Amino acid sequence: GAVVSQHPSWVICKSGTSVKIECRSLDFQATTMFWYRQFPKQSLMLMATSNEGSKATYEQGVEKDKFLINHASLTLSTLTVTSAHPEDSSFYICSASRDSKNIQYFGAGTRLSVL
Amino acid sequence: AQSVTQPDIHITVSEGASLELRCNYSYGATPYLFWYVQSPGQGLQLLLKYFSGDTLVQGIKGFEAEFKRSQSSFNLRKPSVHWSDAAEYFCAVGDNTNAGKSTFGDGTTLTVKP
Repeated sequence: GAVVSQHPSWVICKSGTSVKIECRSLDFQATTMFWYRQFPKQSLMLMATSNEGSKATYEQGVEKDKFLINHASLTLSTLTVTSAHPEDSSFYICSASRDSKNIQYFGAGTRLSVL
Repeated sequence: AQSVTQPDIHITVSEGASLELRCNYSYGATPYLFWYVQSPGQGLQLLLKYFSGDTLVQGIKGFEAEFKRSQSSFNLRKPSVHWSDAAEYFCAVGDNTNAGKSTFGDGTTLTVKP
């Protein structure tokens, strides 16, 4: 149990376009979903925390107009990278939590390459 | 603020040898502690967790970790490493006053020699 699906796994886009990444909890209701960014050989950098039906809480330094997060239901959260630029190229990972004990279940990640 | 330190960036062990990955944390109260493993190009998988109680916790794939409050440590161990254990390992501390949020260490890359 506790499977999180993230789609797409890899996306290449042109500079200036927007890209949407989906994160779904397949067999549980996620009270909270998280979006991370990971640079090569580095740790996970938390971008934002989202709860169903409310606005996402962004970490300091993360542009909320650039990285739009929508948490439409207890099983789906989306991250939209708006007007993507090459510096946005990275590995984006989502996770979902179903209780208050911080256990996070991770998606397989999305590699974004902006040309 | 909470923080996690993984002192070893890269560790190499021979297959069949024992393994210990170090993790030190900083947190004001009793922490929730986790170890995750990440294979290349993949998300993270939970290996084990500590919330309270027995300080020696067992996880999947033969891993265990011991919580030592006096040392603020939560080191991960495995008695005999397999080639498939080669991956990136992350220690994390959960903020039990901010439901769900965790802080991750910088990770330790494990290489397994044949």
